[in-house]
Amino acid sequence: SYELTQPPSVSVSPGQTASITCSGDKLGDKYASWYQKKAGQSPGLIIYEDNKRPSGVPERFSGSNSGNTATLTISGTQAMDEADYYCQAWDISSSSMIFGGGTKLTV
Amino acid sequence: QVQLQESGPGLVKPSLTLSLTCTVSGGSISNGGYYWSWVRHHPEKGLEWIGNIYHDATTFYNPSLRGRLFILIDTSKNQFSLQLLSVTAADTAFYYCARGKRLSGMDVWGQGTAVIVSS
Repeated sequence: SYELTQPPSVSVSPGQTASITCSGDKLGDKYASWYQKKAGQSPGLIIYEDNKRPSGVPERFSGSNSGNTATLTISGTQAMDEADYYCQAWDISSSSMIFGGGTKLTV
Repeated sequence: QVQLQESGPGLVKPSLTLSLTCTVSGGSISNGGYYWSWVRHHPEKGLEWIGNIYHDATTFYNPSLRGRLFILIDTSKNQFSLQLLSVTAADTAFYYCARGKRLSGMDVWGQGTAVIVSS
């Protein structure tokens, strides 16, 4: 079955750039989405179709996807960005939606 | 704007059926441009996709749950529902319903509901 792999944790200093990776076989051939999940809150979509931001998502969030890796980049990271981040893609072969294991971002 | 709200029992006994309903407001569930999803969150294991349903009742299920999972849609009530049979403690989680667009991720989420499987 298709799997997406994320680092369990990433640490960044306030104001610096955080990068969270998501790896999967030929992931670049699929569309990747990213979700932010804070404790006690519903997940929120922050990136879709690899690099598009829904309205209301700050410009400091950006995404890319190529080869086997999708990357979520947070520029000028703020304390409010501390959360769990999940990548997600659709696996056509199994007609399944796949989530990565999640990355805890500490600011 | 579209809003989703989950409802259902918070406690289910082992081996019985978990039933949850998601009520959609502010938009029609019959809109063919979207799919409707169930996702659960295990604090120690992260997010897990349960399944999707489209307005025409086409469904896609997580292979690990196939066989004991049913997702139904009721366009007259603007609701979709989840039925998970033969639950065990491993099904204890926070359950969310969400709206998604093909290939574009899930952009609207309910507030979620906690489900505990215990006797």
